[in-house]
Amino acid sequence: QKEVEQDPGPLSVPEGAIVSLNCTYSNSAFQYFMWYRQYSRKGPELLMYTYSSGNKEDGRFTAQVDKSSKYISLFIRDSQPSDSATYLCAMNGGQTGANNLFFGTGTRLTVIP
Amino acid sequence: DVKVTQSSRYLVKRTGEKVFLECVQDMDHENMFWYRQDPGLGLRLIYFSYDVKMKEKGDIPEGYSVSREKKERFSLILESASTNQTSMYLCASVRDRGSPLHFGNGTRLTVT
Repeated sequence: QKEVEQDPGPLSVPEGAIVSLNCTYSNSAFQYFMWYRQYSRKGPELLMYTYSSGNKEDGRFTAQVDKSSKYISLFIRDSQPSDSATYLCAMNGGQTGANNLFFGTGTRLTVIP
Repeated sequence: DVKVTQSSRYLVKRTGEKVFLECVQDMDHENMFWYRQDPGLGLRLIYFSYDVKMKEKGDIPEGYSVSREKKERFSLILESASTNQTSMYLCASVRDRGSPLHFGNGTRLTVT
């Protein structure tokens, strides 16, 4: 079983839709959760960074962590064509070091104008 | 803003060549990493370094080596390139081990 599972998509939505991207994980020691956005032919850029359970909002983006279910989500409101990218989830136990950062394989999102 | 710069965006090399991929970060980060990214496999850690002249193997070090002579620079070396090393290579750095990584824009390497 992989440490982190992420549906690869692809996911296509019309402009203005609410997008929900999800990852599940198996290691209950994970405490730090990240979402990265990766445009085509570019490196991943950090979008959201959360610690432990709960919600974090930044503009149109909301990151949600449910540690009891080992499930994290990224919601995008009022999606725009510029949101078209691959979204990677990542997580680690913090104290164990960045070398123990586990990534999902990414979900490719296309927002259609 | 943290800047992680990879010297080449695209490289084409022949099988058996020695290949150097260079990465420089400008934020005085202690920790640097090399990943490769392949469709369906995601990001896989090749090597990382927590300090100058220090290196540790990641999950897939075979066929690679690294060099960290200065804090800001971390080089990935393919001793004898093979076609199965065709991939997107990503360098990353971070100040603290619990913090999120900052990535460069990647080097797309094709080995023919």
